[in-house]
Amino acid sequence: SQQGEEDPQALSIQEGENATMNCSYKTSINNLQWYRQNSGRGLVHLILIRSNEREKHSGRLRVTLDTSKKSSSLLITASRAADTASYFCATDRTGANSKLTFGKGITLSVRP
Amino acid sequence: DSGVTQTPKHLITATGQRVTLRCSPRSGDLSVYWYQQSLDQGLQFLIQYYNGEERAKGNILERFSAQQFPDLHSELNLSSLELGDSALYFCASSVSLAGPNTGELFFGEGSRLTVL
Repeated sequence: SQQGEEDPQALSIQEGENATMNCSYKTSINNLQWYRQNSGRGLVHLILIRSNEREKHSGRLRVTLDTSKKSSSLLITASRAADTASYFCATDRTGANSKLTFGKGITLSVRP
Repeated sequence: DSGVTQTPKHLITATGQRVTLRCSPRSGDLSVYWYQQSLDQGLQFLIQYYNGEERAKGNILERFSAQQFPDLHSELNLSSLELGDSALYFCASSVSLAGPNTGELFFGEGSRLTVL
C-alpha cells in the first residue's frame, strides 16, 4: 500500500508561476523526501526533511512538514519549462527497517 | 549522472522466461535497493541489501530473488515471467546503515522489462 499520497495528481502551470504540491502520509516517520523523475528516467533526490524540522529550503525549492497533520508540501518558485517532470514524496517510516515508501507521484507540466 | 549503473537498459522476453538485472552502486555505498515501477502500482519497494546481507523485504514475489556480491554489485533475478512483470526496475544505493533512518537514495536509470 502507498504511504504517501500526493495531491494533485497533475498540475499544469505557466512558466514563472509557483507550483505547490502536497503529500499526506499515514504513519509516523523519521524523515520525508521529495524526488523528481523525468519521463522514463531515474529518480533524482531533491530534498530531505527530518521529522523534527518544519521547513527547509534548497534553491527554488521550499518544503514544509506538519507532523501533526501528517502532511508535507513542496513549493517550486518561479517555475521553468525544465521543471516539467513527475514529483514523488517518499517517507522513511518509523520502524519500517530502512526503506523508503513512495507515493504515486504528481505530474507537473510547465508551459513556456 | 547518479553514479549507479544498471544493465541492461531494455529487455524484451517471453512469458515463462528468466532474466537477470544487474546493478553497480555508487562507489562507497553499501546499501542497494530494488524498486519496481509500473503504471498501475507506482513505485514498489522490492528488497534491500546492506554489505551483502538482506536487510529489508517488500512486495517481492517468490519468483523473484536478489543478492549482493562481495564487490557490492547486486543482481535481481526474475523467473517464470508473466505479462504483469513488465515494468521499469530501478536500483538505488545509499551510504546509510539500515535503520533507524533512511537517507538520500541515488537511483540508476532503470531496466525496462517487457514480457510478451
